[in-house]
Parts: sequence; structure tokens; C-alpha cells
Amino acid sequence: DQQVKQNSPSLSVQEGRISILNCDYTNSMFDYFLWYKKYPAEGPTFLISISSIKDKNEDGRFTVFLNKSAKHLSLHIVPSQPGDSAVYFCAAHSNAGNNRKLIWGLGTSLAVNP
Amino acid sequence: SAVISQKPSRDICQRGTSLTIQCQVDSQVTMMFWYRQQPGQSLTLIATANQGSEATYESGFVIDKFPISRPNLTFSTLTVSNMSPEDSSIYLCSVGVRSYEQYFGPGTRLTVT
Repeated sequence: DQQVKQNSPSLSVQEGRISILNCDYTNSMFDYFLWYKKYPAEGPTFLISISSIKDKNEDGRFTVFLNKSAKHLSLHIVPSQPGDSAVYFCAAHSNAGNNRKLIWGLGTSLAVNP
Repeated sequence: SAVISQKPSRDICQRGTSLTIQCQVDSQVTMMFWYRQQPGQSLTLIATANQGSEATYESGFVIDKFPISRPNLTFSTLTVSNMSPEDSSIYLCSVGVRSYEQYFGPGTRLTVT
């Protein structure tokens, strides 16, 4: 059973517009949520995180929103640029039983068209 | 952040052989992790490797198949033993920063024929 779900396998956006990537989770005990970007043949790159006690975190063009009651978070990229084209992974941090680890979604492939 | 390198970057191996993947970090870190990403799938944690203790393996992964060494705070190895085509995957190491962030190496692309 997947604890972190990214239901959209792909998303296509025009350059300059907003990209919104969504993520749902099932475990209310996750304490942090993270977004990573991955280019082909590279490891994932950390983008932005949010604590479970916050509802918004912003870093430049990237903003993450957390809705705890809905167990939903989203990553907004404004404005979108062609270099943002990559696979975006949502991950949730678990500290259950003092065993820290990240639980990953399946990823959303973002294409930003010039 | 930390700079992480992995060797080899890719390899093609024959069924039944073993491959050892190295992960080097440019600073001392307590927690290191090994992941697998199979084609079209997400990242799956194989094990957590803390220096000075035995690696902690996730469900479905065993030490005999994926032995891990962690001799110091900047280095770790993962061995994929007695390989089969099902082991074809990208293998990634990462390091823990703060309590929850992880930074990743570039990955090792393994093909087993």
C-alpha cells in the first residue's frame, strides 16, 4: 500500500505559466515533506521542504503548500521555465520507532514548453 | 549540502556475478542510505548504513544479497550479489543532512545480462 501518492504521472505547461504538482499521503505521523527534482542519468536534487506544523514554505520560484486535514501537499513553480522539465518526486519523512527514512511517491514528469 | 560521488557510474554484468558500488562523500556524515530505482518505478530504500553499526535493511532486502560496508564517516559500499536480470536498476546512495533532508549521488546504472 503506497503511503505517498502522486496521481499524475505527467504534466505539460507553457513557459511562464504556473506548474502545480500534487501529492497525497496516508500517514498522519509524517513530520516533514520534501520535493526533489530528477533529471535523467542524475540523482535526485533536493528542492524544498515543509514541516508538518506549517502550511506554506516559499523559496524563490518554488512554493510548497500543505493541507494536513486533506493529507495533501502541492508544489507550485512560478514562472515555469524550460529548465524545470524533469521528474518531480514527493517524499515524506518518517521517524517511526527512531528509524528515520523517506517514503517516496512515484514521481510526476513535468514538461515545460517554450 | 554535501558532494557525493559514486563508482562505477554504470556497468553491464553477467548473471551470477557480484558488483560492488562505492559511495564517497566530501564531508563526514552519520547517516548514509542506499536506494534502488527500477525502470518506471520510484525510489525504494534498501538499507540505512550508519558508521559503527550494522546496516538496517528494509523489508524485502537481506544482507546476503546486498551486503553493505561503512568503514568511516565519508565512505560506504553496497554489493549486489549473485546478480540476476531482475537486479537491473539504478542504485543510489544518499546522505542524511539535518534530521530529514537527504542528498544524493549521481547513481550507478546496472544492467545484468
